[in-house]
Amino acid sequence: NAGVTQTPKFRVLKTGQSMTLLCAQDMNHEYMYWYRQDPGMGLRLIHYSVGEGTTAKGEVPDGYNVSRLKKQNFLLGLESAAPSQTSVYFCASSYVSADTQYFGPGTRLTVL
Amino acid sequence: AQSVAQPEDQVNVAEGNPLTVKCTYSVSGNPYLFWYVQYPNRGLQFLLKYITGDNLVKGSYGFEAEFNKSQTSFHLKKPSALVSDSALYFCAVRVRSNDYKLSFGAGTTVTVRA
Repeated sequence: NAGVTQTPKFRVLKTGQSMTLLCAQDMNHEYMYWYRQDPGMGLRLIHYSVGEGTTAKGEVPDGYNVSRLKKQNFLLGLESAAPSQTSVYFCASSYVSADTQYFGPGTRLTVL
Repeated sequence: AQSVAQPEDQVNVAEGNPLTVKCTYSVSGNPYLFWYVQYPNRGLQFLLKYITGDNLVKGSYGFEAEFNKSQTSFHLKKPSALVSDSALYFCAVRVRSNDYKLSFGAGTTVTVRA
C-alpha cells in the first residue's frame, strides 16, 4: 500500500514551458486535491475532485488545469509556466470530503 | 469565511519540557479541526482531529489537542518533547457545511534542543 505518490519529485522549467504533475492513490479514495505550499502561507487549495470525471476550482486555480480520468489518478497541468508558480505542490486524497486527508511527498517546482 | 491563525512562527523548547503549539480558528459553523506535521522535504502527516465529542483529542506520537469553543482555539500539546519532534506543524479547519475546503494556518516551526 503506497498511499499517495507524486511524480516527479523535482522539476525546473523555463517561463512559458508546460508540464503535468501526476498524483496517484491506491486507497480507493473518492476525493483528491492539489495544494501549493509557499513560505509563510501554509497550503492553498488549487483544484479538487469529488470523483472520477469531476473537477472543481479551489482558492488559487488561475494558471492551472486538472483532470481526473481515472479514480486513482489526479493530474495537475501548467500550460504556460510563470515564475509565480515556483512552489512545492502537494496532492492529497480522502475517502469522503470531511475525512482526514492523506498527503503525497510533494513536487518541488522551480520556474526560471 | 473560515480561517486559521497560528500566532507563533517558531517555538523553541528543551527536550523533556512541555510543548505547546497554538491555533485559533474562525468559522461560521461547527468546525472540523486537524493538526498535521511536516518533516523536512516530506509531505504532511496527520496527527489528530476533532470532529465532535470529547474536547481533549489524543493523537499520534504522544500529541494531544484541546478544543475550546469559547476561545475558538485548538492548541496542540505534548507533555515531554523529543528532539525528533522538531518539524513544521500546521493547524487546519473545515466547516461541516463547506466540506471540500480545508483552510491551513501558516505553520509553526518547532525546534526541540537536546
